[in-house]
Amino acid sequence: DTAVSQTPKYLVTQMGNDKSIKCEQNLGHDTMYWYKQDSKKFLKIMFSYNNKELIINETVPNRFSPKSPDKAHLNLHINSLELGDSAVYFCASSQDLRGGEQYFGPGTRLTVT
Amino acid sequence: GNSVTQMEGPVTLSEEAFLTINCTYTATGYPSLFWYVQYPGEGLQLLLKATKADDKGSNKGFEATYRKETTSFHLEKGSVQVSDSAVYFCALSRNNNNDMRFGAGTRLTVKP
Repeated sequence: DTAVSQTPKYLVTQMGNDKSIKCEQNLGHDTMYWYKQDSKKFLKIMFSYNNKELIINETVPNRFSPKSPDKAHLNLHINSLELGDSAVYFCASSQDLRGGEQYFGPGTRLTVT
Repeated sequence: GNSVTQMEGPVTLSEEAFLTINCTYTATGYPSLFWYVQYPGEGLQLLLKATKADDKGSNKGFEATYRKETTSFHLEKGSVQVSDSAVYFCALSRNNNNDMRFGAGTRLTVKP
């Protein structure tokens, strides 16, 4: 059983398109996250949700909109894709907001052409 | 603010060599410290952690000791294997705060 799963694993699309990435965790965790990893492996937090409530919203273009239908799911929708959005996007979860370890999904490699 | 600085890579070692990857942190209060490993094409996995000063985290032959006096959490392994080739991330989170800060990552390549 995969603890944190993401779909799709690879996403190739053209500039200007709108796309979504889905994430699900079966760990019973309250808190979920989206990270962006660039080509140099630098990892940057984008959003975090706790029990469907937005907690962290870093300086991210408003073309990126997260949605959490329930605490086991956190999706990321991206409008008007740009070349600079090409990266690997990771979903993660943690038990709660108390700062413990996070469990990561396998990542979605987004390529914008 | 809270931040983590780890040694720049890449690091290339021969099999059975000793590994040290340095990590220092800046934080208010008493953070928890972590090492994560990312194998090629995969997500990050927790390697080890320490939650208070002088704690030693260990797993798969890797060790790191939480040193408050030097604000460090260096990763060590006595004898690396080819299968240890990966990117290693040092991270911290403050208790009761889910904003985890990651270092820039250090790529390790182990040659036979």
